[in-house]
Amino acid sequence: NAGVTQTPKFQVLKTGQSMTLQCAQDMNHNSMYWYRQDPGMGLRLIYYSASEGTTDKGEVPNGYNVSRLNKREFSLRLESAAPSQTSVYFCASIRDRAGYEQYFGPGTRLTVT
Amino acid sequence: KQEVTQIPAALSVPEGENLVLNCSFTDSAIYNLQWFRQDPGKGLTSLLLIQSSQREQTSGRLNASLDKSSGRSTLYIAASQPGDSATYLCAVTSGGSYIPTFGRGTSLIVHP
Repeated sequence: NAGVTQTPKFQVLKTGQSMTLQCAQDMNHNSMYWYRQDPGMGLRLIYYSASEGTTDKGEVPNGYNVSRLNKREFSLRLESAAPSQTSVYFCASIRDRAGYEQYFGPGTRLTVT
Repeated sequence: KQEVTQIPAALSVPEGENLVLNCSFTDSAIYNLQWFRQDPGKGLTSLLLIQSSQREQTSGRLNASLDKSSGRSTLYIAASQPGDSATYLCAVTSGGSYIPTFGRGTSLIVHP
């Protein structure tokens, strides 16, 4: 199993550009999550998908959109990137909403200039 | 709203020491608590998961305990090694939304 994979690993954008971060898991997990990690702020939840076909906002959803394409894939889109979105983005998954381990991808390091 | 605190924020110890990392949470109605390790520039790796009905979990030199009544968990690392140097995070899952709440982590350095 590859576990949770993310693409790209690194990305540099100019202010106003758009991009989509891709995430896929091969563990047949129901729930998937997008986090951002910033120095001094810890991990903050952007969006999550409790199951295929559902998505919900987390703590910091502004400026982002998500798509749960199927059970395996959960993408995060930045429509108009801003310097404040410079961060490391992590995708994670859990087999079900409670009682199981959460698994993380390797992260995408995004810089917006 | 669940709040998770990890103390200390940073810790530096000589190789061979036994050490304890702390995680406290404000709402004791939890489903589970998970400990992670994060190496610089990497993702989070799961170390141990403790269910709300359990008191402790062990994996090799790691032992995690859970005391829901006091809102605390500890991660015990025996005979620390330089390879244990990393940031250790705990995450608590509670409430109807089943969303893990993370602490900000303890940065551990084990020097030879």
